[in-house]
Amino acid sequence: DSGVTQTPKHLITATGQRVTLRCSPRSGDLSVYWYQQSLDQGLQFLIHYYNGEERAKGNILERFSAQQFPDLHSELNLSSLELGDSALYFCASSVGDYINEQFFGPGTRLTVL
Amino acid sequence: QQQVKQSPQSLIVQKGGISIINCAYENTAFDYFPWYQQFPGKGPALLIAIRPDVSEKKEGRFTISFNKSAKQFSLHIMDSQPGDSATYFCAARDTGRRALTFGSGTRLQVQP
Repeated sequence: DSGVTQTPKHLITATGQRVTLRCSPRSGDLSVYWYQQSLDQGLQFLIHYYNGEERAKGNILERFSAQQFPDLHSELNLSSLELGDSALYFCASSVGDYINEQFFGPGTRLTVL
Repeated sequence: QQQVKQSPQSLIVQKGGISIINCAYENTAFDYFPWYQQFPGKGPALLIAIRPDVSEKKEGRFTISFNKSAKQFSLHIMDSQPGDSATYFCAARDTGRRALTFGSGTRLQVQP
């Protein structure tokens, strides 16, 4: 168990809908990273937050957004969902802004029908 | 330039054998190279990591070999066990972005 929690574990929704994925980092970690894992694209970095501030963006679609709250938990919002958004979404946390070790949560499996 | 190329895609090894997974990169700004192990239905778990100023790092049965001039690094699993059967990902982090760029993964099967 990495200490990173993610909810929900599974999410099934329809095209065009909006969902919110939640992540709580390990105790003491200030950085949260979001990754998408799909069969055709592998593990792709989406976005990084440190202590409430956005630090870096990766291959994140404009339909997706994220934020990190004062209690350091993070939410990833996915809107206007398409079939191709079906994937595993992981968050990872690390101690600081430039600390190497990232610890991954168990993921949220999103299925868009 | 952000790519990390991983091979083989899948690997079958007999119990007690050595599993070897290779990765190559182009981006010279990468400064940290971790390996992750992922079991079905679970998140990736950090296994071992190396910095480019070190040529080899060993932790138990797991060893990373790093060749900076060739921009290649590899994971060796000694005395492979059926419990090692999982998907392994190499990754690299660049100094600017801090996020990890992952290889495509290697599905390892250790036969008893």
